[in-house]
Amino acid sequence: EAGVTQFPSHSVIEKGQTVTLRCDPISGHDNLYWYRRVMGKEIKFLLHFVKESKQDESGMPNNRFLAERTGGTYSTLKVQPAELEDSGVYFCASSQDISYGYTFGSGTRLTVV
Amino acid sequence: GNSVTQMEGPVTLSEEAFLTINCTYTATGYPSLFWYVQYPGEGLQLLLKATKADDKGSNKGFEATYRKETTSFHLEKGSVQVSDSAVYFCALKTQAGTALIFGKGTTLSVSS
Repeated sequence: EAGVTQFPSHSVIEKGQTVTLRCDPISGHDNLYWYRRVMGKEIKFLLHFVKESKQDESGMPNNRFLAERTGGTYSTLKVQPAELEDSGVYFCASSQDISYGYTFGSGTRLTVV
Repeated sequence: GNSVTQMEGPVTLSEEAFLTINCTYTATGYPSLFWYVQYPGEGLQLLLKATKADDKGSNKGFEATYRKETTSFHLEKGSVQVSDSAVYFCALKTQAGTALIFGKGTTLSVSS
């Protein structure tokens, strides 16, 4: 089966611009997660979708971040406007049954200059 | 709050050396514990896991034992290979939560 796909793999944008990251989970996986790793720090949870509903968005840093999962398939994470501290690697993960674990994508490396 | 602390890297070893990467955690209740690995250019992959005290997770020659008394889950391998060079992340999931809580990651570099 195809894995979790994220794109772009890299994005360099200027401060104040908008960027949209996309995640395609494994087909049939209802659970979709976004995580972020800022340079040298922990990978931190951002939010969790179950199908198209936001189950937990407690990790979203502020209202410049907007996540959507229309139709319960792929998800997008938009940052608008981007700030320097938003630079990092954004990971997406999906699972059908949490007890079996998660499958992660390769991540999107975002650089805000 | 819940957290994971793992040893700072980078860790540099010669091929066939013994590896230990320390990981300790703080959590309420009885969390599940994980080691994930990220090879260059790839996503995070589950390496091994343990769901209760004294469980030993193992995979690809790596092992880690869930020690409740010391709140630790140290990763070990008896003989590392160049292909083990990667970033290793210790993580936990609480019984009530669905999200993983990660440590900062430890970069391992193995030379021949």
